[in-house]
Amino acid sequence: KAGVTQTPRYLIKTRGQQVTLSCSPISGHRSVSWYQQTPGQGLQFLFEYFSETQRNKGNFPGRFSGRQFSNSRSEMNVSTLELGDSALYLCASSPSGATNEKLFFGSGTQLSVL
Amino acid sequence: GENVEQHPSTLSVQEGDSAVIKCTYSDSASNYFPWYKQELGKRPQLIIDIRSNVGEKKDQRIAVTLNKTAKHFSLHITETQPEDSAVYFCAASRGTSYDKVIFGPGTSLSVIP
Repeated sequence: KAGVTQTPRYLIKTRGQQVTLSCSPISGHRSVSWYQQTPGQGLQFLFEYFSETQRNKGNFPGRFSGRQFSNSRSEMNVSTLELGDSALYLCASSPSGATNEKLFFGSGTQLSVL
Repeated sequence: GENVEQHPSTLSVQEGDSAVIKCTYSDSASNYFPWYKQELGKRPQLIIDIRSNVGEKKDQRIAVTLNKTAKHFSLHITETQPEDSAVYFCAASRGTSYDKVIFGPGTSLSVIP
């Protein structure tokens, strides 16, 4: 099976712009979670989607949003970018999203905000 | 909300020595504790996990211990090798629920040949 695929791999944006990141889960996985990774902060949970519904949400401002399509692919959008949004954004998929399931991570999208 | 602390943030050991990383969690309902390893430039991967009905679990050179009373758990790596150099993340969650998995801030382990 193909692994979790994230596109694009790198993004450079300027403050105030918006960005959309994409995540294709492993075939058959219906849960997709998004994490923000910054040095010293580890993996901060953004949100989790299952069957096109947001099931869990972390403590991020409303500028961060996402959605999931019927084929389980997910997108994450960040509007009105700020310098502090520079980070590696990882998505992870699992079969059902039960929290005792192994998470399969993508390689991430490295976002730089100038 | 749930919080997971992890110490130390950086750790250097000589090849062949042991390494220990400790985590504490705040949610007493947590009952599943995975550890992920992220090598430089690569994606995090699950290396071992432990559930609350078990106090210790081993897999070759790595082991995890859990103290539910004190709400802390640890990763032990014995006979460290250069390929063990990576960032290690502990995490906690409510096991069979569909709640979020909370990760610690990570420990950067360097094994010096």
